[in-house]
Amino acid sequence: GQNIDQPTEMTATEGAIVQINCTYQTSGFNGLFWYQQHAGEAPTFLSYNVLDGLEEKGRFSSFLSRSKGYSYLLKKELQMKDSASYLCAVRDKGNAGNNRKLIWGLGTSLAVNP
Amino acid sequence: NAGVTQTPKFRVLKTGQSMTLLCAQDMNHEYMYWYRQDPGMGLRLIHYSVGEGTTAKGEVPDGYNVSRLKKQNFLLGLESAAPSQTSVYFCASSRGPGEETQYFGPGTRLLVL
Repeated sequence: GQNIDQPTEMTATEGAIVQINCTYQTSGFNGLFWYQQHAGEAPTFLSYNVLDGLEEKGRFSSFLSRSKGYSYLLKKELQMKDSASYLCAVRDKGNAGNNRKLIWGLGTSLAVNP
Repeated sequence: NAGVTQTPKFRVLKTGQSMTLLCAQDMNHEYMYWYRQDPGMGLRLIHYSVGEGTTAKGEVPDGYNVSRLKKQNFLLGLESAAPSQTSVYFCASSRGPGEETQYFGPGTRLLVL
């Protein structure tokens, strides 16, 4: 079947580093997205990985291992404004009709404390 | 460039009433989507469209209808609202084949009494 697992909640301290993990099971893999969602707001795009390895963008980076069905989002130099929910979503290859749909995780709620 | 906009931002309905949620995007995107987001359930796809004049069912289509008469607009209709449709509704769009990052509107909060 199709499944995405993320921790429900995490806490971290301002200035520290946090790693949010995502594991997935799909019938066919065609890319993984990370989104950030602040309370009461819409999800906003952070990163997209389709090949194995690490993608770095400023204070955050995203890693993918297709053989392990595993990704993580790493955020360093945490700030209070990083308190949000982080959503992992996988694009399943599927058939032509399913090719444009994403499978969404439930999100990881990150609380950054001073 | 406003991106993806949604109307209204908030609405209260009584059971059995009907309403239409409007989504508009000015990025010339081919694909558009309607999601609902509920606590503990995550984002669930209701309907989507891969181009003007086309629509398809998502994961939870029952009780909803959609139309895409113009490329920039995607309408979500509730013919007879039920309390189970109380939710936050997000519209999203993406460019098309090979570029499928989805960009979301600000959401519509719907309460059905």
